[in-house]
Amino acid sequence: DGGITQSPKYLFRKEGQNVTLSCEQNLNHDAMYWYRQDPGQGLRLIYYSQIVNDFQKGDIAEGYSVSREKKESFPLTVTSAQKNPTAFYLCASKTSGLHNEQFFGPGTRLTVL
Amino acid sequence: LAKTTQPISMDSYEGQEVNITCSHNNIATNDYITWYQQFPSQGPRFIIQGYKTKVTNEVASLFIPADRKSSTLSLPRVSLSDTAVYYCLVGAPGGADGLTFGKGTHLIIQP
Repeated sequence: DGGITQSPKYLFRKEGQNVTLSCEQNLNHDAMYWYRQDPGQGLRLIYYSQIVNDFQKGDIAEGYSVSREKKESFPLTVTSAQKNPTAFYLCASKTSGLHNEQFFGPGTRLTVL
Repeated sequence: LAKTTQPISMDSYEGQEVNITCSHNNIATNDYITWYQQFPSQGPRFIIQGYKTKVTNEVASLFIPADRKSSTLSLPRVSLSDTAVYYCLVGAPGGADGLTFGKGTHLIIQP
């Protein structure tokens, strides 16, 4: 089946630790995205990548880092510099063309204790 | 990016038609209107996209007036499983920029 996978679904970390969230897609999409969602809120863009080895900051990039070494993978690292990292993190990908449809993964719920 | 305004919440009953309206007064000529659905603890799912007049697919219809300053998502004969948050987005298609999601409309369907 084609799609986007995120792992793990739930993640717990101690304050001050870096943590990396996985995102893999087999849709052959060029563009990939990371969003953060807080309770009762919409999604906010953290980082996005239009092509391998290139990525851009979104609206709330501070305290996060990404890499795009392969087309299929776009891992997100939540660093200790992120002031309030507890949130629901969503990865998405998009094909090129005249369409705004992004395909989202199931999400990772990160809790920092 | 054009800003959108939609109701925070709506209630309806099973079997009814539900219409959710979104305002986007500063929509640009190249912008399309896209709607997503999100269930709790899941990623959003694309529902429908349109530019003008009416678009229909197997799950919904999208009505866009001539001035394109608003749009209405219509869900025919809703069921309990349609309880979700619905997001209206406006933007130019084809670009690889991220999407801008507002708070959406929380639709609650009752028996």
